Amino acid sequence: QLVLTQSPSASASLGASVNLTCTLSRGHSSYAIAWHQQQPDKGPRYLMHLDSDGGHTRGDGIPDRFSGSSSGAERYLTISSLQSEDEADYYCQTWGTGGLHVVFGGGTKLTVL
Amino acid sequence: QVQLVESGGGVVQPGRSLRLSCAASGFTFSSHAMHWVRQAPGKGLEWVAVISDDGSNKYYADSVKGRFAISRDDSENTLYLQMNSLRAEDTAVYYCARDRGSGYYDIFFDYWGRGTLVTVSS
Repeated sequence: QLVLTQSPSASASLGASVNLTCTLSRGHSSYAIAWHQQQPDKGPRYLMHLDSDGGHTRGDGIPDRFSGSSSGAERYLTISSLQSEDEADYYCQTWGTGGLHVVFGGGTKLTVL
Repeated sequence: QVQLVESGGGVVQPGRSLRLSCAASGFTFSSHAMHWVRQAPGKGLEWVAVISDDGSNKYYADSVKGRFAISRDDSENTLYLQMNSLRAEDTAVYYCARDRGSGYYDIFFDYWGRGTLVTVSS
């Protein structure tokens, strides 16, 4: 079964960097994912597409402070030079066959200290 | 620029129906698959349904299969979600989202609307 696992919370200081992790379930380590950001009381925003080899493509208007990388079944979102507006929920997303379906991770709530 | 604007949400009694709309602009609507995604209060994102770019393929989450129907009108650049036999657990903000492609593979959202709230309550 295709599952994405995220830590519920993370925190980092203003101006610092943070890595958020999304883990693919066993047997799905070759899957690409997307990262989405949801600021408080707003709709989600697409950040980037991230391949299994770490190649990533940012969405329109997404600053290069946001980057992605991959290692095995792990997919990472790195945010550098943290700003207050980066405080948000971050979701990873992928898709599966066998009856096409979309899967989201449970989300990570990022607090900027 | 790409814009997705949902409408049609509101308060509805259990067992009743509601139809959501999503007006799209700023891109060639007929070239993209479209999705509905929902978010219950205080919860994460849950995918609801997808319709392919040509409207010929539709897929649903198990939680809504047989009750919800997704459709599109390319002449009006509008996506719809017909929701029947509504339950309390369908209470959520419903977002429409654009797929990067046709909806047959490589399913990833690249634009989202702001959402419309559906509350199912007696």
